[in-house]
Amino acid sequence: AQSVTQLGSHVSVSEGALVLLRCNYSSSVPPYLFWYVQYPNQGLQLLLKYTTGATLVKGINGFEAEFKKSETSFHLTKPSAHMSDAAEYFCAVIQENNDMRFGAGTRLTVKP
Amino acid sequence: DTGVSQDPRHKITKRGQNVTFRCDPISEHNRLYWYRQTLGQGPEFLTYFQNEAQLEKSRLLSDRFSAERPKGSFSTLEIQRTEQGDSAMYLCASSLALAGRTQETQYFGPGTRLLVL
Repeated sequence: AQSVTQLGSHVSVSEGALVLLRCNYSSSVPPYLFWYVQYPNQGLQLLLKYTTGATLVKGINGFEAEFKKSETSFHLTKPSAHMSDAAEYFCAVIQENNDMRFGAGTRLTVKP
Repeated sequence: DTGVSQDPRHKITKRGQNVTFRCDPISEHNRLYWYRQTLGQGPEFLTYFQNEAQLEKSRLLSDRFSAERPKGSFSTLEIQRTEQGDSAMYLCASSLALAGRTQETQYFGPGTRLLVL
């Protein structure tokens, strides 16, 4: 079975600082990996996804993630945090039977 | 707006009552998913449909839960005899599954937040 682990339930950065949200996956087959963002009382919005091909994936709002097979990681980064980036971020892997498995989430706080 | 919509956005009910939620997927999407999300956790898969066929059900989906997608478009999720432990956000997602591909992007609705008193 495939699963994801998000290291750090809370991450706090200063405005303008680098954002790094960690995600490690376990999978017996080539994974399809996703990052979603959730603002309070809202559904999930797709930030970016990795399926095949280029391992550095660029998403919306200046976020990007790099698929590293050797490290089984798919960490999410943004060079400069903005106050509007404060939200809950979920890493997910889609299984062969099509159900998506989510990590527990990382809450990002951006300090002024 | 052509995204996934869910109704109602919020529902408060008393324990023992039945509730029904509706999800309208993106119009051309043939797959529809239901997830449950409790506070501080990621969404957990409940079930999914391809067109009108329910193809997968999680063991989280107890006998009190039933989902339908009668015409392959909108879907309903009913919870009978609600319990306080059913309090959660219920999320719907849809996707377009193309022939020969099984792992496509899911687009989520805003969710229905259920509170069982």
